[in-house]
Amino acid sequence: KQEVTQIPAALSVPEGENLVLNCSFTDSAIYNLQWFRQDPGKGLTSLLLIQSSQREQTSGRLNASLDKSSGRSTLYIAASQPGDSATYLCAVMDSSYKLIFGSGTRLLVRP
Amino acid sequence: DTGVSQNPRHKITKRGQNVTFRCDPISEHNRLYWYRQTLGQGPEFLTYFQNEAQLEKSRLLSDRFSAERPKGSFSTLEIQRTEQGDSAMYLCASSLTGTSGGVQLEEQFFGPGTRLTVL
Repeated sequence: KQEVTQIPAALSVPEGENLVLNCSFTDSAIYNLQWFRQDPGKGLTSLLLIQSSQREQTSGRLNASLDKSSGRSTLYIAASQPGDSATYLCAVMDSSYKLIFGSGTRLLVRP
Repeated sequence: DTGVSQNPRHKITKRGQNVTFRCDPISEHNRLYWYRQTLGQGPEFLTYFQNEAQLEKSRLLSDRFSAERPKGSFSTLEIQRTEQGDSAMYLCASSLTGTSGGVQLEEQFFGPGTRLTVL
């Protein structure tokens, strides 16, 4: 059974810092991996999708990497801003196209 | 707005009542998914449709839950005889199957969710 773990569960950093969020999964037979952002009480916003054959994706200040063989992904946020404060969720897609989520990392960027 | 929409956004009901939620996916998206999220946890898969066919249901989906997607467009999720444990955020997502340069896409786009509170 696929399990997704995110570390740390919570993170507080001063504005301007670069930071890394970690995601690990137990079954390497994934279709793709998505990183999402969720603001309190809101739905999910897709940030980056990495296909199983890819190693990384970049969008603006965000960079996500995927190492399928070791079951790991990282989300790198450069030059963090208070507006980046949110919960970040990692999800892997299995062979039946459903997403399996981690519990998320709650990020607070202090001004 | 061309994103995924869900109605209502909030629902408060008494235990034992029936509730129904609606999801309108992004037009032309052929897959539609329902997830449930409780406080402090990531969403958990409930069920999904490809066009009008319901292809998979989680064992989280007890017989009190039923979902439909008539004509392959919007979808409804009904919960009968609600229990306090049903209180959660119910999220809908849609995706488009296909390939781009030989690579399958399948990116899921989520709606704002329906927050259910069962008293």
